[in-house]
Amino acid sequence: SAVISQKPSRDICQRGTSLTIQCQVDSQVTMMFWYRQQPGQSLTLIATANQGSEATYESGFVIDKFPISRPNLTFSTLTVSNLSPEDSSIYLCSVPIQRRGFSYEQYFGPGTRLTVT
Amino acid sequence: SQQGEEDPQALSIQEGENATMNCSYKTSINNLQWYRQNSGRGLVHLILIRSNEREKHSGRLRVTLDTSKKSSSLLITASRAADTASYFCATSTNAGNNRKLIWGLGTSLAVNP
Repeated sequence: SAVISQKPSRDICQRGTSLTIQCQVDSQVTMMFWYRQQPGQSLTLIATANQGSEATYESGFVIDKFPISRPNLTFSTLTVSNLSPEDSSIYLCSVPIQRRGFSYEQYFGPGTRLTVT
Repeated sequence: SQQGEEDPQALSIQEGENATMNCSYKTSINNLQWYRQNSGRGLVHLILIRSNEREKHSGRLRVTLDTSKKSSSLLITASRAADTASYFCATSTNAGNNRKLIWGLGTSLAVNP
């Protein structure tokens, strides 16, 4: 298993500003995922953060809006730039952990609740 | 993109009753997983069922998988107020070393004391 922490747990930001979210894992992992969850909705994958290479973004998400850093195997940051009220969501990081039979389960951080005013 | 669809979207039951949630998906899968989320917090993995399995149990949870119908169900027996949460299914495809999951829309379960 893995223990994952996120900072901040919540924040209220003004439009036009940026918020950087930190994700810390208690073990080394090659891959980390960043998700967005809008109110009452399911999870949408923003990008996959790999150590030592550029993040891989999903359709509809771009690096200028959601820059990601992955300086080492236990840490990543997601920045949400040029905030607008539509960015109000919960942001979650997760890591895939391999189980028996080569299946992967995902372990999640507690989430960051962002409100943009 | 989301391929899983859970139904019902919302479910309200009394404590002690059983809760059944269903999930359908569209493509071939390697495994299907169920997760639980309390009040917009991080998700917690509940159970994983592989494509060659038909049924799996974990405590009060029972999961079935029907690959011919591309559907799964999660049964929570003897529900408790603490089971109140949102439940999501997620599928993993057969594509190589793909560790991504494709998420369903979720079922919001309310267990009334």
